[in-house]
Amino acid sequence: AQSVTQLGSHVSVSEGALVLLRCNYSSSVPPYLFWYVQYPNQGLQLLLKYTTGATLVKGINGFEAEFKKSETSFHLTKPSAHMSDAAEYFCAVSRYSGGGADGLTFGKGTHLIIQP
Amino acid sequence: GAGVSQSPSNKVTEKGKDVELRCDPISGHTALYWYRQSLGQGLEFLIYFQGNSAPDKSGLPSDRFSAERTGGSVSTLTIQRTQQEDSAVYLCASSLASLTTGELFFGEGSRLTVL
Repeated sequence: AQSVTQLGSHVSVSEGALVLLRCNYSSSVPPYLFWYVQYPNQGLQLLLKYTTGATLVKGINGFEAEFKKSETSFHLTKPSAHMSDAAEYFCAVSRYSGGGADGLTFGKGTHLIIQP
Repeated sequence: GAGVSQSPSNKVTEKGKDVELRCDPISGHTALYWYRQSLGQGLEFLIYFQGNSAPDKSGLPSDRFSAERTGGSVSTLTIQRTQQEDSAVYLCASSLASLTTGELFFGEGSRLTVL
């Protein structure tokens, strides 16, 4: 079964600093990988996704992630943090493996704190 | 509608009561998903619908949980004889056809508190 592990339940960075949120996956098939963001009292919103093709994917709000098969990783980065980036971030992998399963398996989330 | 709509947004109930949570997906989305979000536990997959059928019910935690979808649109998640451990935010999402290359669109969730 597919799974993801997010390292660090809380990450704190200063405004303007690099944001790095770590995600490692396990999948029995070539994975489809996603990052979602959840602002307080809201649903989840897609930041970016990797399906096939270019391994560096760019998303909304200046975020990007790189699929590294050799490291089974899909870390999320942003060069310069903004106060509005404070939120919960979820890494996810597709549950699809050729059978009837669909949907996503999510990690436990990383709470991003931005220090002024 | 413009987005995924869930109701009620908040529900407080007593242990042992039954609750129903409703999800109205984006018009035209054939796939619908239910997730449970508990503090510190991330999102737990519950069930997936393609049209009115549920090919994957593997995430339902017990036989107290059931879900149905009628007319390929609205879905209801029912929890019978609620327990305190059922307290969580229940999220619904929908997508065009299958998820594999597409995007899940989430509602804002129904927060359930079991006293």
